[in-house]
Amino acid sequence: AQSVTQLGSHVSVSEGALVLLRCNYSSSVPPYLFWYVQYPNQGLQLLLKYTSAATLVKGINGFEAEFKKSETSFHLTKPSAHMSDAAEYFCAVTINNYGQNFVFGPGTRLSVLP
Amino acid sequence: DGGITQSPKYLFRKEGQNVTLSCEQNLNHDAMYWYRQDPGQGLRLIYYSQIVNDFQKGDIAEGYSVSREKKESFPLTVTSAQKNPTAFYLCASSIGWRGRRGTGELFFGEGSRLTVL
Repeated sequence: AQSVTQLGSHVSVSEGALVLLRCNYSSSVPPYLFWYVQYPNQGLQLLLKYTSAATLVKGINGFEAEFKKSETSFHLTKPSAHMSDAAEYFCAVTINNYGQNFVFGPGTRLSVLP
Repeated sequence: DGGITQSPKYLFRKEGQNVTLSCEQNLNHDAMYWYRQDPGQGLRLIYYSQIVNDFQKGDIAEGYSVSREKKESFPLTVTSAQKNPTAFYLCASSIGWRGRRGTGELFFGEGSRLTVL
């Protein structure tokens, strides 16, 4: 079975600083990996996804993530944080391309300090 | 625009009452899902449906019921048997196993917040 861990339930960065949110996964087969963002009292919005093409994936709002098979990692980064990036971020894994058997990480709350 | 519509956005319930949360999608997706979200616990799967007239229990199905009579609709009933129903409920859909070009992601609605008084 797949699993996802996210290091750090809460991360704080200063506006303009690098954002790094960590995600490690386990999967017995090649995974599909996702990052979602959730703003308060809203649903989840897809930031980016890895589906076995390029290992460096670019998403919306300037975010990107790199799939590293040797480290079983899929960390999310953004070079310069903006106040509007403050939200909850979820890493997720599945083993098929039709949306079943999703496993979500516990989430990381990102705070951006002025 | 295609998407998923959940209603109501906020709902208050007295103890012992059943309530039904609506979820409608116009993405032509076969599969639909209900998740429950509690602070600090991430998302937990309640029920899912891969096709009309079929659905499966997820990890926390006790106290909940669903139906899938139409492809577009997947309502969730929170019954009086659910011990702690106060939570944020999220409906999602995906292309499903019959999709030919899926890339695996789930599409989410805006959520419904249920509070038991």
